[in-house]
Amino acid sequence: QVQLQESGPGLVKPSETLSLTCTVSGGSMINYYWSWFRQPPGKGLEWIGYISNGGITNYNPSLTSRVTVSGDTSKNQYFLQLTSVTAADTAVYYCARKGQRTGAFDIWGQGTMVSVSS
Amino acid sequence: AIQLTQSPSSLSASVGDRVTITCRASQGISSALAWYQQKPGKAPKLLIYGASSLQSGVPSRFSGSGSGTDFTLTISSLQPEDFATYSCQHFNNYPITFGQGTRLEIK
Repeated sequence: QVQLQESGPGLVKPSETLSLTCTVSGGSMINYYWSWFRQPPGKGLEWIGYISNGGITNYNPSLTSRVTVSGDTSKNQYFLQLTSVTAADTAVYYCARKGQRTGAFDIWGQGTMVSVSS
Repeated sequence: AIQLTQSPSSLSASVGDRVTITCRASQGISSALAWYQQKPGKAPKLLIYGASSLQSGVPSRFSGSGSGTDFTLTISSLQPEDFATYSCQHFNNYPITFGQGTRLEIK
């Protein structure tokens, strides 16, 4: 059974770079699309971007100037970098897999809270 | 980007009630819509994909319908574990977007 686990610092200073890792266990990253999402406290979900197993990436236009998603299939991990963070980037960050059959996001990590504060 | 508008924003209901939540897209998205359930402090859980297909393991009291711009999620008989927030999400193109969520509370 495939499981996802986010990891990374829970506190980032303003203007610095937020870096998170999603570790995929119980299955391969091949032939799937892997996304990052975030959810500010009390608000709705926002898609950040994805990477395919072929290394193709796509980002939300609202974040594209600051975001990079990369991956290492040999380690079954993929990564999020968000530069020049502000308090508005404070959120729970989730990684999720897009299902081949469903086209929707069928497996999610538990989420990790990242606060931006000095 | 395609905007999704859910209604109502919140809803109070009792165990056993039939509940319907709607999601309207700002442009046609065929059947490229999913519904998720989210409980406090937890990740979203996929309920419905392709507007009307039930995700494996999801109880049959959940159903979805619609195509184009108007979609509904129906829970036929509310159970205590169903009180949560429900969100629609389109996957017609990128950027993927979500509705603002509907909070389902116990009456």
